[in-house]
Amino acid sequence: AQSVSQHNHHVILSEAASLELGCNYSYGGTVNLFWYVQYPGQHLQLLLKYFSGDPLVKGIKGFEAEFIKSKFSFNLRKPSVQWSDTAEYFCALLGGGNKLTFGTGTQLKVEL
Amino acid sequence: DGGITQSPKYLFRKEGQNVTLSCEQNLNHDAMYWYRQDPGQGLRLIYYSQIVNDFQKGDIAEGYSVSREKKESFPLTVTSAQKNPTAFYLCASNPTGTGPGGTQYFGPGTRLLVL
Repeated sequence: AQSVSQHNHHVILSEAASLELGCNYSYGGTVNLFWYVQYPGQHLQLLLKYFSGDPLVKGIKGFEAEFIKSKFSFNLRKPSVQWSDTAEYFCALLGGGNKLTFGTGTQLKVEL
Repeated sequence: DGGITQSPKYLFRKEGQNVTLSCEQNLNHDAMYWYRQDPGQGLRLIYYSQIVNDFQKGDIAEGYSVSREKKESFPLTVTSAQKNPTAFYLCASNPTGTGPGGTQYFGPGTRLLVL
């Protein structure tokens, strides 16, 4: 069975603060990992993804994530958040059967 | 203008009633998916289809049914057997029918409410 854990359910930051959202997964096979974002009133959209190669992947809007196999982690980072980053962030794992398993999400609020 | 459309945006269901949520895509994707989103629970997979005329149960299929008669369409029926249907339903598709590599693209969602 595959699973994804996001331990931070709600995060509140001030603008310009650094962000790190945790994501841990459980799966015995080759993993493909994603971060999706859902801005208020908008579609769920892809931020970044890891399939293979360089474990540090860069996505849109200055976000990046690092795949650490030994820690079963794929944490999302951004050095300086903006008010417009307020959204819900989901980590997801593509495992067997071409199925995505999502974490429970982290609600990020960035205050001016 | 390519993408995934879901209708209606809001849907109200009476007790004992079956309702059908529409999902259409013009991206020529093989695989399509239905998720249910509840606060604090993330997205949970209801059903998915990797090819026309074939579909598989996801993690929470009870009380739901689907069909995949056309590549571009994957309607979801919420039956009266689904005791807690109030949720936000998301449809997705991806360009590869099997194996990794397919980034999933999501529709705008349908919010289902029980009267």
